[in-house]
Amino acid sequence: DTGVSQNPRHKITKRGQNVTFRCDPISEHNRLYWYRQTLGQGPEFLTYFQNEAQLEKSRLLSDRFSAERPKGSFSTLEIQRTEQGDSAMYLCASSLGQGPSGANVLTFGAGSRLTVL
Amino acid sequence: EDKVVQSPLSLVVHEGDTVTLNCSYEVTNFRSLLWYKQEKKAPTFLFMLTSSGIEKKSGRLSSILDKKELFSILNITATQTGDSAVYLCAKPPPRDTDKLIFGTGTRLQVFP
Repeated sequence: DTGVSQNPRHKITKRGQNVTFRCDPISEHNRLYWYRQTLGQGPEFLTYFQNEAQLEKSRLLSDRFSAERPKGSFSTLEIQRTEQGDSAMYLCASSLGQGPSGANVLTFGAGSRLTVL
Repeated sequence: EDKVVQSPLSLVVHEGDTVTLNCSYEVTNFRSLLWYKQEKKAPTFLFMLTSSGIEKKSGRLSSILDKKELFSILNITATQTGDSAVYLCAKPPPRDTDKLIFGTGTRLQVFP
């Protein structure tokens, strides 16, 4: 297992098109997270799954965004009717869940960079 | 939700200098604080801090947490050009959720 894998690495699309990103987490990790990062900012939480259950969604996740993790392994993040403001790096991370002290270390993928023209 | 505030936003130093990066946070039901290094792509994990006053060390990097004053510092001694990156501080929010809230990061540039 080589870590968290994301594809595509780069996507350029025209406004109004739909895009889908895929994330393959570390195989033994049961938790999977999606974050969005724009230039000069830290990653912003979008949503996370424990196995196939989507446990939390940010208010940032408008109804044009949908994420799935159908079999509790890989996940997809779809953005419908893209807007220029959606241009960002979309980061996926996975984890084993809370450690003994409630601490949770996320391992990130390299990200999928979206440019909406 | 908790905020995580990092300073400075940007730092430019020469190789060999020592730098101190700051992270302050609001607290309710503190659980942990994490530091990540982000070069051009994925943030990579550096340290997780849960107890006040106990230094975590890895090579030239070290970090410590002060739960009374609500901050953490990340020190890098004898900086090298390979230390150039954005350093991110993050913590989980107080309620029972596993997400992390990140600061905006400190961009460190080390010149030869």
